[in-house]
Amino acid sequence: DIQMTQSPSTLSASVGDRVTITCRASQSIFRWLAWYQQKPGKAPKLLIYKASILESGVPSRFSGSGSGTEFTLTISSLQPDDFATYYCQQYNNPFTFGPGTKVDIK
Amino acid sequence: QVQLVESGGGVVQPGRSLRLSCTASGLTLRMFAMHWVRQAPGKGLEWVAFISDDGINQNYPDSVKGRFTISRDTSRNTLYLQMNSLRVEDTAVYYCAREAGAFDMWGQGTVLTVSS
Repeated sequence: DIQMTQSPSTLSASVGDRVTITCRASQSIFRWLAWYQQKPGKAPKLLIYKASILESGVPSRFSGSGSGTEFTLTISSLQPDDFATYYCQQYNNPFTFGPGTKVDIK
Repeated sequence: QVQLVESGGGVVQPGRSLRLSCTASGLTLRMFAMHWVRQAPGKGLEWVAFISDDGINQNYPDSVKGRFTISRDTSRNTLYLQMNSLRVEDTAVYYCAREAGAFDMWGQGTVLTVSS
């Protein structure tokens, strides 16, 4: 099975900061990677799929990059609504989520 | 309104069975692959079941294989998760999710507590 790791597990940041989260896969998943945002008590929300394609309606401050085994999610200028937990997910074989990165207020 | 609504959660004893439902509105389930994903209290997301758009293929992680069964009723536009031999560690919020590329639509979740 493909294992996913994320770093950091927690990230303290301020509004306006540039934030980067890294996700690594235990073997190549090509570009079959998605990023989700989850707020407490809510269902996850798809942000990015196929490593870098922005889901419709998602603000352009979110971007994704990478291929193979290493991927990043970047928030170019953190907004108050962005404090949440972020999960990566591989959907190559079959489906595995990363452990999550909590972005909280510095 | 396009949405997925889960139901059927509750409190059950270890070893018992329960069936969760996910009813779709504004979309036709048979056009999409569908999944169940769970989240234990304070923990991350865990994928637990997949059914293909044609309903022929299913897949599960080892943690639930042989105990959980995903199915659907196209006439009711409803997805199901039959859970047998429940364990304390199955306690979680269970979400259904549509696969269109990645998991692009989620329900609000239903809570299962397995406890004696």
